[in-house]
Amino acid sequence: AQKVTQAQTEISVVEKEDVTLDCVYETRDTTYYLFWYKQPPSGELVFLIRRNSFDEQNEISGRYSWNFQKSTSSFNFTITASQVVDSAVYFCALSLSRTDKLIFGTGTRLQVFP
Amino acid sequence: NAGVMQNPRHLVRRRGQEARLRCSPMKGHSHVYWYRQLPEEGLKFMVYLQKENIIDESGMPKERFSAEFPKEGPSILRIQQVVRGDSAAYFCASSPGTQETQYFGPGTRLLVL
Repeated sequence: AQKVTQAQTEISVVEKEDVTLDCVYETRDTTYYLFWYKQPPSGELVFLIRRNSFDEQNEISGRYSWNFQKSTSSFNFTITASQVVDSAVYFCALSLSRTDKLIFGTGTRLQVFP
Repeated sequence: NAGVMQNPRHLVRRRGQEARLRCSPMKGHSHVYWYRQLPEEGLKFMVYLQKENIIDESGMPKERFSAEFPKEGPSILRIQQVVRGDSAAYFCASSPGTQETQYFGPGTRLLVL
């Protein structure tokens, strides 16, 4: 069975702190894709990143970075120098090569206080 | 380029009425997906469609729910005889092909009174 676990329900930090959001996935498939989406208070879902299972290189985009480790089935997301605008619910998701549906974790609510 | 469009953004129905949710995919995207987000929960897959075809409806409730993506016009998610438990945010996503990134619309918030 496929599953995504985001164990952190809610995280609160003060502006400029670094914060890491954890994501652990389960699948027996060898080809799969991992995603992060952001859901700000306005409610829409914003795509952040997509990774395939054969590419374990870490990625950095501005203040955002992602650490993909197949050995621990994790795809963690770090925000450096957090800002109030980063406050949102962040979802990690998994899709398999044999089906297109996204399997979402339950999300982590990040609150960044000024 | 316009993103994925959904309307209405908010919909209020009384128990027993029908709800119709519309989704226009991004330009050039022929794959449409519907997801449901219950309050304080993650998103759950409902159905995956391509033009005039349902590819995967494994997440659709067996009764009262149906979806279509006609040759012309938007994709429609239809809920007949709504009940309070149908109150949720319904998100549509589109992609240009299989195993491509899905881009989401703003969602339709359905409230059943």
